[in-house]
Amino acid sequence: DQQVKQNSPSLSVQEGRISILNCDYTNSMFDYFLWYKKYPAEGPTFLISISSIKDKNEDGRFTVFLNKSAKHLSLHIVPSQPGDSAVYFCAASDTGTASKLTFGTGTRLQVTL
Amino acid sequence: GEEVAQTPKHLVRGEGQKAKLYCAPIKGHSYVFWYQQVLKNEFKFLISFQNENVFDETGMPKERFSAKCLPNSPCSLEIQATKLEDSAVYFCASRLFIAGEQYFGPGTRLTVT
Repeated sequence: DQQVKQNSPSLSVQEGRISILNCDYTNSMFDYFLWYKKYPAEGPTFLISISSIKDKNEDGRFTVFLNKSAKHLSLHIVPSQPGDSAVYFCAASDTGTASKLTFGTGTRLQVTL
Repeated sequence: GEEVAQTPKHLVRGEGQKAKLYCAPIKGHSYVFWYQQVLKNEFKFLISFQNENVFDETGMPKERFSAKCLPNSPCSLEIQATKLEDSAVYFCASRLFIAGEQYFGPGTRLTVT
């Protein structure tokens, strides 16, 4: 039972354009959401997070949007840079219980010149 | 330290042998998490600790897996009698508070032959 889904396994975007990565979840108890970036042979690197009391959080080129009614979140990267090429994981947790992370299966982003 | 450290980077064991993995969380972080990444993109939660106490062990296969976080020592994850299906990358993560982002180590790749 995949509680966090990233339906696009890959995405290709030109340098300078916007990258939009999507994530859906099914567990209504999730109240904290995170995006991680991962390069091969490295651990996931934390990018940005959002609590369920907000619908948007921005940090530099990265913005996360949360639509609770649709159980959907997205990560926007503007402008995209070649160094952004990596696998992006969406993760969710229920802070009322044990706070473990439940991950999506990732989206591979390739930023082309 | 400022980063989560994991040793060894790679570990090869014959089926039936024991494997022991180590994790040093970021200094001052009270929470430690272990995740197993199989099939390249699927992260599975194993166990978490609050200091030296087990916080959540709902993901642990209890027959052969055990874990400890003792004071003044790295945390450890031990697999007795490894099986081929245990081949995976094992990530450790730490967090300062009960909620918030988790910071990941570089992982230990376990190969069972």
